[in-house]
Amino acid sequence: SQQGEEDPQALSIQEGENATMNCSYKTSINNLQWYRQNSGRGLVHLILIRSNEREKHSGRLRVTLDTSKKSSSLLITASRAADTASYFCATDARGSGGYNKLIFGAGTRLAVHP
Amino acid sequence: GAVVSQHPSWVICKSGTSVKIECRSLDFQATTMFWYRQFPKQSLMLMATSNEGSKATYEQGVEKDKFLINHASLTLSTLTVTSAHPEDSSFYICSARLAAGNTIYFGEGSWLTVV
Repeated sequence: SQQGEEDPQALSIQEGENATMNCSYKTSINNLQWYRQNSGRGLVHLILIRSNEREKHSGRLRVTLDTSKKSSSLLITASRAADTASYFCATDARGSGGYNKLIFGAGTRLAVHP
Repeated sequence: GAVVSQHPSWVICKSGTSVKIECRSLDFQATTMFWYRQFPKQSLMLMATSNEGSKATYEQGVEKDKFLINHASLTLSTLTVTSAHPEDSSFYICSARLAAGNTIYFGEGSWLTVV
């Protein structure tokens, strides 16, 4: 099952530009996490924002969370060609079986051109 | 930092055979492990949540008799794809965490090709 949608599905920008990706979800959450995945590889954890937080920064990354709209955004500033990857949001919430689980959005494929 | 190891990284098997993928947490005890499947250019789909010492909780639509999950210890979970078919070919990724609310760490994934 997937928690929600991400947009855009694909984003193509030039080096130095900023990239903004959005994520919407459906249920109440404990926290929301953003991950990066290079093609055919595992996931790299980027940042976690808790449900009581509204904004968080980590290096060139800025994440916002709006629980009233059930949405989050990831901003990558001053993008580099090495940022080319797929980016996923994932919500950490309690499942029907009583266990917390991480459900992923559809992802955004980011291409940064030199 | 915490590391989750998956083995094998890639495997090719014949239709009708079974294949096992291991997921190990190397420097922490994982009370919960998760198994995901990812088809090319798609997102990760949660297959099941595995808690040490208890039966796995499968997501809707995932056949528990086909995808056997065993979480025998706090550092090891295994996924066995039984009677594999070409449509089972996919990227399987496991993840693990110490406790609810903690960061979840992902393995590098295992490519399964069924021929």
